[in-house]
Amino acid sequence: KQEVTQIPAALSVPEGENLVLNCSFTDSAIYNLQWFRQDPGKGLTSLLLIQSSQREQTSGRLNASLDKSSGRSTLYIAASQPGDSATYLCAAMSLSGNTPLVFGKGTRLSVIA
Amino acid sequence: DAGVIQSPRHEVTEMGQEVTLRCKPISGHNSLFWYRQTMMRGLELLIYFNNNVPIDDSGMPEDRFSAKMPNASFSTLKIQPSEPRDSAVYFCASSLYYERQETQYFGPGTRLLVL
Repeated sequence: KQEVTQIPAALSVPEGENLVLNCSFTDSAIYNLQWFRQDPGKGLTSLLLIQSSQREQTSGRLNASLDKSSGRSTLYIAASQPGDSATYLCAAMSLSGNTPLVFGKGTRLSVIA
Repeated sequence: DAGVIQSPRHEVTEMGQEVTLRCKPISGHNSLFWYRQTMMRGLELLIYFNNNVPIDDSGMPEDRFSAKMPNASFSTLKIQPSEPRDSAVYFCASSLYYERQETQYFGPGTRLLVL
């Protein structure tokens, strides 16, 4: 059964800092790895989707990497801004089993101006 | 497109009452997912549909929970009878072509409080 873990659970950084959020998964047989953003009281918004054949995806100041062999993914945020404050969740889509996406519990990011 | 629409946005009810949550997926999407989010357990998949057919409901906690998708543009999640431990945020999500593992688009959620 796939399990997804995100460390740390919470992170506070000053504005302008580059930061890395970590995600690990137990079953490396995945279709893809996805990163979502959740603002307080809102739903999830997809940020990046990395197919299993890819090593990374970039969107603006965000870069996500995937290392299937080690069961890890990272989300790199460059030049952080207060507007980046949110909870970031990663989710793995496994090849086996019926569960389409297994989510981590997220990292709550606060960017201080 | 208006995105995934959920109603109500907030629901407060008393233990034992029936609760019905509603979802309208994005037009053209053929997969629909119901999730529950709590602080303790995070985001959990309850059930998902492909082309209006339930594919996997192993995440449904008990027989008190049921879900239907009578057509491509509407789904309901019903809890009967409701219990305080059902208090959570319930999300509906939809995606295009599940077979291709497309990303999911989430609604704003229904915040349920059972007293």
